Amino acid sequence: EPEVTQTPSHQVTQMGQEVILRCVPISNHLYFYWYRQILGQKVEFLVSFYNNEISEKSEIFDDQFSVERPDGSNFTLKIRSTKLEDSAMYFCASSLGQLGNQPQHFGDGTRLSIL
Amino acid sequence: DQQVKQNSPSLSVQEGRISILNCDYTNSMFDYFLWYKKYPAEGPTFLISISSIKDKNEDGRFTVFLNKSAKHLSLHIVPSQPGDSAVYFCASTGNQFYFGTGTSLTVIP
Repeated sequence: EPEVTQTPSHQVTQMGQEVILRCVPISNHLYFYWYRQILGQKVEFLVSFYNNEISEKSEIFDDQFSVERPDGSNFTLKIRSTKLEDSAMYFCASSLGQLGNQPQHFGDGTRLSIL
Repeated sequence: DQQVKQNSPSLSVQEGRISILNCDYTNSMFDYFLWYKKYPAEGPTFLISISSIKDKNEDGRFTVFLNKSAKHLSLHIVPSQPGDSAVYFCASTGNQFYFGTGTSLTVIP
């Protein structure tokens, strides 16, 4: 069964540095998403992406964050000037459509640790 | 602002019995509700969904019930198996995708 893959599985970065988290969505999916889960807290929506542009974003997704689909297969989340509170699991997801009967498929996440 | 709430952080059930996981939501405009299962070190995996126009959806051992007047949904797993032990998240879709905080289910052999 096709799956969403995320790299790296664990990223350690110094505070203030930029980090890029990478995702390869399922190949025929059209919608792409990033979520984060701070340790012990709920999974939080960050952003959705469709047709090469952001379709929705949450309050968390401020100017520090950006997303890109640079080559038709990868979907990246860039975090500039990382802060300690950016430490979390970041999950990428993709879906064929936006309806609830076309659910999102998640990768196994990237654990981001900011030192 | 918790759009979706799971008030029970954990639940333990004997193997073979029914597991009932509960979820409450605040926004009556949500159009779909979903349940995801998550094992440690893995991403959430879709289990089952229900449209807001229905009150029940069944898939094998999993049944989701929706009570729109109470803004409540529940996931029933019967019979429960040890492999069902995981964290279960309910989620809802509107403009965004909202997850609950999760309920950790332990099925005791």
